[in-house]
Amino acid sequence: TQLLEQSPQFLSIQEGENLTVYCNSSSVFSSLQWYRQEPGEGPVLLVTVVTGGEVKKLKRLTFQFGDARKDSSLHITAAQPGDTGLYLCAGAANNQGGKLIFGQGTELSVKP
Amino acid sequence: NAGVTQTPKFQVLKTGQSMTLQCAQDMNHEYMSWYRQDPGMGLRLIHYSVGAGITDQGEVPNGYNVSRSTTEDFPLRLLSAAPSQTSVYFCASKGRFNTEAFFGQGTRLTVV
Repeated sequence: TQLLEQSPQFLSIQEGENLTVYCNSSSVFSSLQWYRQEPGEGPVLLVTVVTGGEVKKLKRLTFQFGDARKDSSLHITAAQPGDTGLYLCAGAANNQGGKLIFGQGTELSVKP
Repeated sequence: NAGVTQTPKFQVLKTGQSMTLQCAQDMNHEYMSWYRQDPGMGLRLIHYSVGAGITDQGEVPNGYNVSRSTTEDFPLRLLSAAPSQTSVYFCASKGRFNTEAFFGQGTRLTVV
């Protein structure tokens, strides 16, 4: 069974601080995705990383895929209250018919 | 473009009752999945489908049935509801050549 361990589970910080969320597995994934979820809504895709060592930036968010394609990180610079939400990593395995395995999620609260 | 539509949004069931959660997508996606979301556990895969007539079990399939008679629809059936099935349920769809999964708005189910 493939598992994704996400940490930390909860994060409460002040506006302007930096933070990093980690997503780790013992399994190799063909791609890894990060989603953000607002209360009462379904998750929405932020980014997909496919190549080992890949780094993608989305404004103040930086996503990295590990060289071995087993782990990923999300770094937010100068967090803002609008970044508050649930962040989920999800891995897609080879030959798994589009099946996504999700981590437990990180509940981020950014206080003004 | 409606995307992924789930009904109902809220449901209360008594233990032992049966019901069907509906999911429809209008993007002609091959892959469809059902997840349940519980606090601190992220999204757990219940069942998924790689096309009409083809379904397979996910991580937590017990107590749930699915069928995929058309590309558009993927209903989830609870045969005999139990309090342990109290959760928020999400349906998702994904195209074969696209890594992004699109989610419905969720169904909040309470079993008393």
